[in-house]
Amino acid sequence: ETGVTQSPTHLIKTRGQQVTLRCSSQSGHNTVSWYQQALGQGPQFIFQYYREEENGRGNFPPRFSGLQFPNYSSELNVNALELDDSALYLCASSDPDSSYEQYFGPGTRLTVT
Amino acid sequence: AQSVSQHNHHVILSEAASLELGCNYSYGGTVNLFWYVQYPGQHLQLLLKYFSGDPLVKGIKGFEAEFIKSKFSFNLRKPSVQWSDTAEYFCAVNEMADSWGKLQFGAGTQVVVTP
Repeated sequence: ETGVTQSPTHLIKTRGQQVTLRCSSQSGHNTVSWYQQALGQGPQFIFQYYREEENGRGNFPPRFSGLQFPNYSSELNVNALELDDSALYLCASSDPDSSYEQYFGPGTRLTVT
Repeated sequence: AQSVSQHNHHVILSEAASLELGCNYSYGGTVNLFWYVQYPGQHLQLLLKYFSGDPLVKGIKGFEAEFIKSKFSFNLRKPSVQWSDTAEYFCAVNEMADSWGKLQFGAGTQVVVTP
C-alpha cells in the first residue's frame, strides 16, 4: 500500500509569484485535505476535496485554490505569494466513508523571499 | 472561537521518566480526538485516536490517552519514555458536525528525552 506522497520537497519562490504543490493520496482514499504549518505552530486547515469537489474551507484567502483529479490526486495553488506564505504545506488523505482518520504526507517546504 | 490548547510548548525529561502532555479543546459538540507525533525529519503519524466508547485509549509505542468529557481534555501519557520518543506531539480535534473531517490542531509540544 503506497502512502501519501507530495512534490516537490522544497521550493523557493519570490513574493508575487505563483506556486503549485502536488499530492498523491493513499490508495483507496477519495478525500484530500491540505494544511499549512508555519514554523512553531500546528497545522492549519486550508481546504478539503472530496470526489473532485471542494468540500470545506478554512480561513484562507481565495488566492489559495485547489483541484482534485479523477485518480484523487490533488494540487494546491497559491497566487500572489506573500512572505507569510512561507511554511510547510501538508497533504492528508482519508476515506470518510469508513473513518475520520487522516494520513499525512511528508509535506512541501515553501520559502517565499 | 473554537480552539485546541496544548499546555506546554517544550518538555525536557530523562529516559525512564513519565510523560504527560495536556490537551484541552473548546468545542461544545461531539468530537473525535487524536494525538499525532512528528519525529525529526519524518511526517505526521497517528499515535492514537478516540471516537467513542472507553475513554482510556491505547496507541502505538506504549502511549495512552484519557478523554475526560467534563473537562474537555484529552491528555497523552507514557509511563516510561525512551530517547526515541524525542519528537513534536500534536493534539487534534474533529468536530462531528464537520462531517468532512476537518482537523483543528493545537500548537504542538516539543518533547526532548535525554539519555
